[in-house]
Parts: sequence; C-alpha cells; structure tokens
Amino acid sequence: DGGITQSPKYLFRKEGQNVTLSCEQNLNHDAMYWYRQDPGQGLRLIYYSQIVNDFQKGDIAEGYSVSREKKESFPLTVTSAQKNPTAFYLCASSVPGTATNYGYTFGSGTRLTVV
Amino acid sequence: AQSVTQLGSHVSVSEGALVLLRCNYSSSVPPYLFWYVQYPNQGLQLLLKYTSAATLVKGINGFEAEFKKSETSFHLTKPSAHMSDAAEYFCAVSDRGTGGFKTIFGAGTRLFVKA
Repeated sequence: DGGITQSPKYLFRKEGQNVTLSCEQNLNHDAMYWYRQDPGQGLRLIYYSQIVNDFQKGDIAEGYSVSREKKESFPLTVTSAQKNPTAFYLCASSVPGTATNYGYTFGSGTRLTVV
Repeated sequence: AQSVTQLGSHVSVSEGALVLLRCNYSSSVPPYLFWYVQYPNQGLQLLLKYTSAATLVKGINGFEAEFKKSETSFHLTKPSAHMSDAAEYFCAVSDRGTGGFKTIFGAGTRLFVKA
C-alpha cells in the first residue's frame, strides 16, 4: 500500500545536539511538507518542497533545515539553534497544486523530546 | 488573511448522542475547507472536504459538514457518536493568498465519548 513512513516514532535529543527525522513516501507525490504540532496550537508549517532540489521556508523555519535530493525523501534536521524542539512532528505529501482541494496525506509522526 | 477558529478545545458526548464540532473561518476569497481526524500518536486523516460543489459534504465514518457562507462556518456533525470516534479533530482552510495557496489549521477539538 502507498503511504508515508516517518521514523523514528520516538526520538530523544540532548541539549545542543542536532537530530534528523526521516520521511519517506511511495505515493509518487511531488510536494512534501513538515509540520510541527504542539498541544492547543494546531499544526504549524516548518518547510515545504514542491519539487526535487527545491524547498521553501514555512512559518516557523528557524532552527530547522531540510533537503530534497530524492522525490521519495524529505528529511528534517532539528538543529541546536531550535530552542524549544520538544513537539510532535508530522510529514505530509500531496500532488502539487492539489493540497488545496484534495488535502494532504500524513505520516504517523515523530515525537521529539529534549532530555 | 485566512484564519480558522474551532470553538471548544474539548467536547464530551455520550455514546449515541449527536456530535457537533464547530469551525468558523475567515477568507477573502472562496475557500476550500477540510476536516481531519487524529488518533493518539498518529498522523492526521482526511475526513471530508468542501471544494465549492455541494454545500453539504459527507465524509468517512458517518461524519458530514455543511458549508454556510453567510455564517462563515463549516461545522462537523455525526448523528450518533460511537466510542471509536474519540479523537482530536482539526478544521483547515485553504485559499489563494499573495504567496499562492496556503493551508491553515485550527487548534483542534478533542472529542470524548462517554459510555
């Protein structure tokens, strides 16, 4: 079955450490997205990519970085510059230009905790 | 600028009772509207969407929503709640802004179903 796989499901980060969250999809979608979810705040867009080798900052990109070397993969790195990284991170994909009227397909998320 | 307001961060109903989750939006152009459901530690799943066709939209699991332009609302309903409906529900609006199409999520409403 087609879908989006996020790994790991749980991740612990020490202060000052960079960590990378994986997102892989086999839906043949060109567009991929990273959202951060905090209790009571809904989803906030971190980065998105409409095509391979291109990506754009979302509303809360500071302290995060991404790459898009392959259509299937859109990893997110949470850097030490992100002062409050503890959150639930969701990866999503869509056919470009259709997220507006067809919605997103989401992965099952990665819960990141700073220890 | 677009925005989404979900009235009530928590809603509790008895099994078999009507479910009503409220969503109001603002948008300067005709919007696309969505409801997503999220089970604990999972990603979001699309329940239904409004894309300027019929104003009463039917989704999965017996849910439906009605687009009311005069009230700028898109409330989610289900005639009879089931225990398996306990989850968090997100309303989202998408429209074309100055930076292209953008999707904004509400803060979410957690639905509790009592036996």
